[in-house]
Amino acid sequence: GAGVSQSPSNKVTEKGKDVELRCDPISGHTALYWYRQSLGQGLEFLIYFQGNSAPDKSGLPSDRFSAERTGGSVSTLTIQRTQQEDSAVYLCASSPQPGGELFFGEGSRLTVL
Amino acid sequence: KNQVEQSPQSLIILEGKNCTLQCNYTVSPFSNLRWYKQDTGRGPVSLTIMTFSENTKSNGRYTATLDADTKQSSLHITASQLSDSASYICVVLNNNAGNMLTFGGGTRLMVKP
Repeated sequence: GAGVSQSPSNKVTEKGKDVELRCDPISGHTALYWYRQSLGQGLEFLIYFQGNSAPDKSGLPSDRFSAERTGGSVSTLTIQRTQQEDSAVYLCASSPQPGGELFFGEGSRLTVL
Repeated sequence: KNQVEQSPQSLIILEGKNCTLQCNYTVSPFSNLRWYKQDTGRGPVSLTIMTFSENTKSNGRYTATLDADTKQSSLHITASQLSDSASYICVVLNNNAGNMLTFGGGTRLMVKP
């Protein structure tokens, strides 16, 4: 498709399990961002990629969170040993260049029981 | 510290009425300011991007203003429709390396018939 694609759209998991969330950005977009949005709240920055490198990962809330990007394209956000407070919508956005217009995916809704 | 404050947090108006949403920022150095619309359960979608030299910019029934001296922006919605019910997010880009984007907490607008 032409837009940013995220999967899964919904994920329900048990506390303590690991989860992987995937983001497929718009082809050719070099910048990729991950955000977290709790119910009724604003967007919380997690990590920013330029190509395959992450110049800014200051928003990752703990060492249980990690992300990688391969081939300058697909990115995976991994949450290890999930906790209930990890429940949120995880949004991915891509941009043609750093600071360019953001195009968001529809998000992955994570529920940790 | 870079900050973006939006007001009001929430707003209810009747269909057909106008409304104005406010955004104040302390981001420096300023590059541009964006307004996004986020429908419930969806990713944000760009409405407009304003640079330092732009005072007013329209996109259909949406008109954004920017006063770079007072570091204030507004989003005016004319003749509101039920489909305008959404969260409106103000985002400011700075010219520093890394993440560069500071998000406001959003204004949740509800348009009632």
